[in-house]
Amino acid sequence: DGGITQSPKYLFRKEGQNVTLSCEQNLNHDAMYWYRQDPGQGLRLIYYSQIVNDFQKGDIAEGYSVSREKKESFPLTVTSAQKNPTAFYLCASARGRETDTQYFGPGTRLTVL
Amino acid sequence: AQSVTQPDIHITVSEGASLELRCNYSYGATPYLFWYVQSPGQGLQLLLKYFSGDTLVQGIKGFEAEFKRSQSSFNLRKPSVHWSDAAEYFCAVSGGGYQKVTFGTGTKLQVIP
Repeated sequence: DGGITQSPKYLFRKEGQNVTLSCEQNLNHDAMYWYRQDPGQGLRLIYYSQIVNDFQKGDIAEGYSVSREKKESFPLTVTSAQKNPTAFYLCASARGRETDTQYFGPGTRLTVL
Repeated sequence: AQSVTQPDIHITVSEGASLELRCNYSYGATPYLFWYVQSPGQGLQLLLKYFSGDTLVQGIKGFEAEFKRSQSSFNLRKPSVHWSDAAEYFCAVSGGGYQKVTFGTGTKLQVIP
């Protein structure tokens, strides 16, 4: 089955530690995205990538980093510089031709203790 | 700048009753419009989308939405709600191509027996 996988589902980290969230897709999509979701705030774009080895900052990129070495993978690192990292993180992908129709993974809930 | 307003944070309907979720957008040109649904702790699933053509769009799970340019609205409707429709619903807008997708803050739907 084609789709987007995010792992792990739940992640706990101590304050001050970097943590990397995984996102993999086998849909052969060119574009991939990372969003952060907080209650009552909808989705906010962190980073996005339209092609391998290229990515751009979204609205709330501070304290986060990404890489896009393979078309299938777009990992997100939450660094210790992120002031309030506890949130639900969603990865999405889209075809290059219809970039706007984004398909979402199941999400990772990160809790920083 | 583009924006989406979902004025209802929470809506409660009885099972079998009709449903309308409101969405107003702000965009300078012809928008691309989407409705997504999210079950608790899950990713977002695309319900329907409007790019052009017929202003009444049919989606999955019996949902439909009507694009009204004069009112800058894209309201989601369903004639008879099922208990399984309880979820959070997000409206989104974009300009097409590789332009950013902006999400609303969501409307949480509760269905009572």
